[in-house]
Amino acid sequence: EIVLTQSPGVLSLSPGESATLSCRASQTVTNNFLAWYQQKPGQAPRLVIYGASSRAAGIPDRFSGSGSGTDFTLTLSRLEPEDFAVYYCQQYDRSPRTFGQGTKVQI
Amino acid sequence: QVQLQQWGAGLLKPSETLSLTCTVSGGFFSGYYWTWIRQSPGKGLEWIGEINSSGNTNYNPSLKSRVIMSIDTSKSQFSLNLTSVSAADTAVYYCARPRLAVRSPLAYWGQGTLVSVSS
Repeated sequence: EIVLTQSPGVLSLSPGESATLSCRASQTVTNNFLAWYQQKPGQAPRLVIYGASSRAAGIPDRFSGSGSGTDFTLTLSRLEPEDFAVYYCQQYDRSPRTFGQGTKVQI
Repeated sequence: QVQLQQWGAGLLKPSETLSLTCTVSGGFFSGYYWTWIRQSPGKGLEWIGEINSSGNTNYNPSLKSRVIMSIDTSKSQFSLNLTSVSAADTAVYYCARPRLAVRSPLAYWGQGTLVSVSS
């Protein structure tokens, strides 16, 4: 299976700052079938980025994704208070469709 | 809009069978791989498996021996059974639908069901 390793585990930032989250895959993720999800306490995850760089419906443009192959990045520019959450990457290239362990973006 | 509503028993004893059902409203039911995900307390997300409207399934190898998924297209419902549960199966279980029919991330999620396993 494809193992996804996210770093850092925790990111402490202030509103207005930018965040860079990394997701590294143990094998090539073909066709950039890599997604990012945002999860807040007590809520289901919410799709943020798919296809490594496409924003999901309703996601503001301060969220951007990049990368290919085995290295992917989620960038959050100008952090808003509602952006503080846990972010997970997921590959949907191969079964089992694995998730990274998450990066917590906290104030 | 697409909505997923899930339900099932929230408290089980070791060795019992976990049973959850998810009902879908809005959008098409056929053509998608309907998915189950779980999240242990304070932990990350684990993909359990998926089933399509033809009954084809893909299971996580780590759970494959205990997982049975089924689907009822007439009711727009799909279900998860996990046999011989233990405390390690305590988690919030989510049902979900991908954004598109083929090779697509999960865009629609149920509200989650906390299942606790304790003697």
